[in-house]
Amino acid sequence: EPEVTQTPSHQVTQMGQEVILRCVPISNHLYFYWYRQILGQKVEFLVSFYNNEISEKSEIFDDQFSVERPDGSNFTLKIRSTKLEDSAMYFCASSDKTTGELFFGEGSRLTVL
Amino acid sequence: GEDVEQSLFLSVREGDSSVINCTYTDSSSTYLYWYKQEPGAGLQLLTYIFSNMDMKQDQRLTVLLNKKDKHLSLRIADTQTGDSAIYFCAERSRGSQGNLIFGKGTKLSVKP
Repeated sequence: EPEVTQTPSHQVTQMGQEVILRCVPISNHLYFYWYRQILGQKVEFLVSFYNNEISEKSEIFDDQFSVERPDGSNFTLKIRSTKLEDSAMYFCASSDKTTGELFFGEGSRLTVL
Repeated sequence: GEDVEQSLFLSVREGDSSVINCTYTDSSSTYLYWYKQEPGAGLQLLTYIFSNMDMKQDQRLTVLLNKKDKHLSLRIADTQTGDSAIYFCAERSRGSQGNLIFGKGTKLSVKP
């Protein structure tokens, strides 16, 4: 069964460092998303991406964050200068249309020291 | 802002039915979802229901939607130990491009 895959599964970084989280969405999907879950809190929407541009973003998705689809298969989330409060599980998701099913990856755990 | 609430814990015996409840505030919700998260794993889509439906059944899973009360439930028939996980309710607003609002999740424990 097709699935969304994410790398790395866990990354530890120093505060102020740049981090790139990678995702390979399901191959025929056109819509891509990033969510995050801080430990003990709700899963929160960050951004949605369609047709090579951001279609919606939350207040969390500030100038420190960016997304890119560099090569037609990967979908990346970059955090330019990580803060302690960026420590969370980051989930990538994809869907084949704007209504209906969103399929999530297994997540990338980011720990900022 | 919009909110989704769930009870945090539910414990049942193997073979019993489990009912996980969820309430939401967004009256313009279009889709409502149930996701399952096993320890160390991602979010697995179990089922979803369009807001103009009031029930959806898929094998052991039954979703009931009361749009008037903004109440969603997930019933798992003949609950098995393998159903032990955290279950997340989520809703999507009309016009949203994939911005799902999640509840905090209900941890289901199934005792043998």
